[in-house]
Amino acid sequence: QITLKESGPTSVRPTQTVTLTCTVSGFSLTTSGGGVAWIRQPPGKALEWLGLMYWREDRRYSSSLRGRLTITRDTPARRVMLIITKVIPADTATYYCAHLLRDYSSGAYHPYFDYWGQGTPLTVSS
Amino acid sequence: QSALTQPPSASGTPGQRVTISCSGGTSNFAINPVSWYRQLPGEAPKLLIHNTDQRPSGVPDRFSGSKSGTSASLTISGIRYEDEADYFCAAWDDTLLFGGGTKLTVL
Repeated sequence: QITLKESGPTSVRPTQTVTLTCTVSGFSLTTSGGGVAWIRQPPGKALEWLGLMYWREDRRYSSSLRGRLTITRDTPARRVMLIITKVIPADTATYYCAHLLRDYSSGAYHPYFDYWGQGTPLTVSS
Repeated sequence: QSALTQPPSASGTPGQRVTISCSGGTSNFAINPVSWYRQLPGEAPKLLIHNTDQRPSGVPDRFSGSKSGTSASLTISGIRYEDEADYFCAAWDDTLLFGGGTKLTVL
């Protein structure tokens, strides 16, 4: 059974760096074709994809956060971390990690998210 | 990159068929697969459809997906009160985009 659980600080000050952790079970971070993604949702708003790491450790990031994101992992500990630098109030959201698989279509692979964590709230405020 | 376009709300009475649209507006959206997620109040999203029209195991067959050109659709046949939720589409177009979400109300 695949499960993911997010953890991290619930409140930070603007300009700080925050690290959110996703602890997984039921699958290996190195299983071919899989990976973990980070998605966030500001209060009352839509989902926003932030980035992902595939099983081979190649990463993709949303350009909207302009280089403030880094995704790393600790494979033996079954953890994937999202690091956000220079946080601003607009980063206030619930942050989800999700297990990803891929569809192959039109000559390329496209990720989708089949299992999600429960989410962890983050408030950025002075 | 703009989000995919969904109607903000949809509604129906129990047993009705409801269709939620998702528009991409680019040629990439027309050829790339779409996934759909349901988010019950206070819960994490759950996968309903991937690869435009594929249902994961455990998702009832009253949920179906389709796409024509730059518009995708999620159809719920025979809606129930427990289907009242937010529904999001997603697709890759140089980056991964989500739709703005559609709130389904079961009257």
